[in-house]
Amino acid sequence: KQEVTQIPAALSVPEGENLVLNCSFTDSAIYNLQWFRQDPGKGLTSLLLIQSSQREQTSGRLNASLDKSSGRSTLYIAASQPGDSATYLCAVSTQGGSEKLVFGKGTKLTVNP
Amino acid sequence: NAGVTQTPKFQVLKTGQSMTLQCAQDMNHEYMSWYRQDPGMGLRLIHYSVGAGITDQGEVPNGYNVSRSTTEDFPLRLLSAAPSQTSVYFCASSYRATGKGLAGEISLYEQYFGPGTRLTVT
Repeated sequence: KQEVTQIPAALSVPEGENLVLNCSFTDSAIYNLQWFRQDPGKGLTSLLLIQSSQREQTSGRLNASLDKSSGRSTLYIAASQPGDSATYLCAVSTQGGSEKLVFGKGTKLTVNP
Repeated sequence: NAGVTQTPKFQVLKTGQSMTLQCAQDMNHEYMSWYRQDPGMGLRLIHYSVGAGITDQGEVPNGYNVSRSTTEDFPLRLLSAAPSQTSVYFCASSYRATGKGLAGEISLYEQYFGPGTRLTVT
């Protein structure tokens, strides 16, 4: 059974700091990996999607990397801002399609002004 | 496009009552899913559908029914609500997009989520 772990569970940093969020998964046979952002009381917003044959994806100040063989992904946030405060979720889909995602429990990020 | 919409946003039920959570998408996506989110548990898949008329169970399907009569709609039915079903429910949809990777054509399935329904069962 696929399990996804995110470390740390919570992170507090001062504004402007570069930071890394970690995600690990137990079964390397994934189809793709997706990072989401969730604001309190809201739904999930997709940030980055990495297909299993890709190594990384970038969007603005965000960079996600994937090491499928070791079962790891990282989300790098450059020059963090208070508006980045949210819970960040990592999810993987198994071979055969992405209609089924297995989620980690998330990292709650607080960026202090 | 409205994206993925869910109704209602909030609902309180008594144990044993039934109700349907509505989900609709206007992006012509093939795939639709229902997840529940509980503190300390993360999001877990309840049911999913790969197209109209096709549904299957996820990780936690007990107590829930789904149907997919159209591409746009994917309602979730609680037949007899229990306090254990108190949760936030999210509907999601996705489609297959193709692109070019280093090893040739790749398929991407990006999931889009609705705003959620917060359900309390007393």
